[in-house]
Amino acid sequence: AQSVSQHNHHVILSEAASLELGCNYSYGGTVNLFWYVQYPGQHLQLLLKYFSGDPLVKGIKGFEAEFIKSKFSFNLRKPSVQWSDTAEYFCAVRGGGSQGNLIFGKGTKLSVKP
Amino acid sequence: DTAVSQTPKYLVTQMGNDKSIKCEQNLGHDTMYWYKQDSKKFLKIMFSYNNKELIINETVPNRFSPKSPDKAHLNLHINSLELGDSAVYFCASSQSKVPSYGYTFGSGTRLTVV
Repeated sequence: AQSVSQHNHHVILSEAASLELGCNYSYGGTVNLFWYVQYPGQHLQLLLKYFSGDPLVKGIKGFEAEFIKSKFSFNLRKPSVQWSDTAEYFCAVRGGGSQGNLIFGKGTKLSVKP
Repeated sequence: DTAVSQTPKYLVTQMGNDKSIKCEQNLGHDTMYWYKQDSKKFLKIMFSYNNKELIINETVPNRFSPKSPDKAHLNLHINSLELGDSAVYFCASSQSKVPSYGYTFGSGTRLTVV
């Protein structure tokens, strides 16, 4: 069965610090990988996604993620965070098969201190 | 125009009541989903419909019954509400059973059972 692990439950950073949020998945076949962000009290929004090709994908708001197949990882990065990046971040995976639903990690809460 | 709209946004009700949450998408997507986000922010798939046909039905109490009158609508009816049903329920849609472009989420319905 597919699963997603986000090891950091809560990350606290100061503005301008660099960010890396870990995401590991378990699935042996071809995967599609996603990062979603949920700002306080809001719905989930897609940050970026990976399907194939360049393993370094760039998303909105200066975020990027790198797919490392050998490590089953898809970590999210941002060189310099802002207070407005305070949110919950979810990694998600969709593997092969006909059902097509996304499996989400448990989320990482990011708090950025001004 | 809101792409995926859910109503109501907030719902407070007593145990034992029956309630419905409505979801509509104007994106022309053919697959819709219901996710439950618990108090720890964990997102779990409940149901998925493709062109009005149920394709995913996770281990959810049969007090929960989805209804899709057409591919733009997926409603969730809950009978005999229990305290443990308190959560945020998100509706989402995608272009096909293979959501290569990720999901578009609604703004959520915060259900509180008292």
